[in-house]
Amino acid sequence: DSGVTQTPKHLITATGQRVTLRCSPRSGDLSVYWYQQSLDQGLQFLIQYYNGEERAKGNILERFSAQQFPDLHSELNLSSLELGDSALYFCASSVGLLGGSMIEQYFGPGTRLTVT
Amino acid sequence: DAKTTQPTSMDCAEGRAANLPCNHSTISGNEYVYWYRQIHSQGPQYIIHGLKNNETNEMASLIITEDRKSSTLILPHATLRDTAVYYCIAAYGGSQGNLIFGKGTKLSVKP
Repeated sequence: DSGVTQTPKHLITATGQRVTLRCSPRSGDLSVYWYQQSLDQGLQFLIQYYNGEERAKGNILERFSAQQFPDLHSELNLSSLELGDSALYFCASSVGLLGGSMIEQYFGPGTRLTVT
Repeated sequence: DAKTTQPTSMDCAEGRAANLPCNHSTISGNEYVYWYRQIHSQGPQYIIHGLKNNETNEMASLIITEDRKSSTLILPHATLRDTAVYYCIAAYGGSQGNLIFGKGTKLSVKP
């Protein structure tokens, strides 16, 4: 158990719909990262938040957005869903202390999204 | 971030050491080598990281060549539960902790 929680575990929705995935980081971790893993693309970094602010962006579509709240939990919003958005979505967290490495990321169990 | 090259798959007998190689010939001086593994659709799990020196923790050892162009992850006594995809990643340790996962090595530990 990494200490990172994600809800829901599974989500089935239709094309065109909007969903919200939630992540609670490990206690004390300030950074949250979102990744997408599909069969053909592998594990892709989407976006990083640090203490409420966006820190880095990866291959995140404009239809997707995220935020990190004052209590440090994060939400990933996926809208106008397409069949190709079906994937595992992982959240990870790291301590992010100033001057410290933020690459030791601890991953949650993921949310499996199926778009039909 | 530097690109890494790993074999697609490897087998290892249970109880034996598993040695997973990684090539990172374009790594820059301040990039770390990180290893993660993913057990069948679970979230990736951090294993170990290093910069120049060899490192050891309760899970594994990391051997980095002197020129830092390659490294080897060693699982000293592989068990069936070590069957997973192992990812070698070269990345800066800093405020933007983006991990670029390649295809990794599928390690199969056999009885």
